[in-house]
Amino acid sequence: QVQLVQSGAAVKKPGASVKVSCKASGYNFMSYGIIWVRQAPGQGLEWMGWISVYNGKTNYVDKLQGRVTMTADTSSNTAYMEMRSLRSDDTAVYYCARGNGYTFGSHIYYDMDVWGQGTMVTVSS
Amino acid sequence: QSALTQPASVSGSPGESITISCTGTSSDVGNYNLVSWYQQHPGKAPTLIISEVYRRPSGVSNRFSGSKSGNTASLTISGLQAEDEADYYCSSYAGSSTVVFGGGTKMTVL
Repeated sequence: QVQLVQSGAAVKKPGASVKVSCKASGYNFMSYGIIWVRQAPGQGLEWMGWISVYNGKTNYVDKLQGRVTMTADTSSNTAYMEMRSLRSDDTAVYYCARGNGYTFGSHIYYDMDVWGQGTMVTVSS
Repeated sequence: QSALTQPASVSGSPGESITISCTGTSSDVGNYNLVSWYQQHPGKAPTLIISEVYRRPSGVSNRFSGSKSGNTASLTISGLQAEDEADYYCSSYAGSSTVVFGGGTKMTVL
């Protein structure tokens, strides 16, 4: 069955970096995108951005530009999300989701049809 | 981009129907038929229950239905069951290949 399995929880100090992995199975990894979403404790969902596994193209939400990098390794069917210069307000559960893609004109849209189990990232001194 | 607006909470009794609204702008909900709804039980990952305004993925109960009028999308749950108690989030394409979520609605079955 289609499954996304994420890496375990991480505790980081302010200013450090974190890299979360998301291993896909049960489908053709290159035929879908991967979207990253985070959820701060007790808060709602925040869309972070996506990567096209097929060509490596990425798109990030403006507020995270310059601090986040999304990559995908097709040899291991694993996607990664790295965030740098961590702050306390980056404390959240980070989810990866499989992206069912639509292209229309210059637009690219990914629906999020299968989700990973989430990775808790705590930023604390 | 600003989050879509959802009511903080809704409630209903078993067997009743409830509707959750999701209000955006002409730059997101009103301009694209790319509204999705997600269900999230406590401590669990979200699951997709409606895509493209009204499409139900395979395996999702037909008690869930979606619609849109102007800048507002809606999720209706009919025949409420205890297992429907969860948080519900809408999302919409917002241009520039980005997506925006609603703030979420806590749905309680009385």
